[in-house]
Amino acid sequence: GAVVSQHPSWVICKSGTSVKIECRSLDFQATTMFWYRQFPKQSLMLMATSNEGSKATYEQGVEKDKFLINHASLTLSTLTVTSAHPEDSSFYICSAPKVPLETQYFGPGTRLLVL
Amino acid sequence: RKEVEQDPGPFNVPEGATVAFNCTYSNSASQSFFWYRQDCRKEPKLLMSVYSSGNEDGRFTAQLNRASQYISLLIRDSKLSDSATYLCVVIGFGNEKLTFGTGTRLTIIP
Repeated sequence: GAVVSQHPSWVICKSGTSVKIECRSLDFQATTMFWYRQFPKQSLMLMATSNEGSKATYEQGVEKDKFLINHASLTLSTLTVTSAHPEDSSFYICSAPKVPLETQYFGPGTRLLVL
Repeated sequence: RKEVEQDPGPFNVPEGATVAFNCTYSNSASQSFFWYRQDCRKEPKLLMSVYSSGNEDGRFTAQLNRASQYISLLIRDSKLSDSATYLCVVIGFGNEKLTFGTGTRLTIIP
């Protein structure tokens, strides 16, 4: 069964609105979670590392003021896309390792379409 | 040079055939290696870890060559359900960040 959940599974919104995506680890605690973005026919690109109790670490080229990450508890990380624009339309996926340095489990992803 | 490189394909293979994918990585300090499978419009799912001694899981065999910095995946007796994109994934030394290859698209033809 799923060990990482995401909500919502898909979002359609108007340009300029903010969208919050939740990522939850269901049966384990995750001090670290990862957020990825995948454009059509491309691979997953790591956006940021979410750290429980501290600030997120963003990859080069990812605007931290646009993609707000909050790791509120050991089982929940949220990604907020602020003032979304059509170019932000993508597939957003989170992941979390059950065991450090071992395999990671992915959430089912959130499809965002900004009109 | 990309950190993890794969032939994007597509590979169109008849059912029952054997198919092999290779992947190269640039960071010699990389410590963990995986193959993931991603179906269209779905999240990646772990297919298998890759160990230095090579490992097998049913019809799937993974190999790691640290000297040449490449990873391979062999699928025997391919099934229609094997059609997917196969992602080579590497974890660098001392961290948990996954670096993905661009993926190799496989289509098994009846």
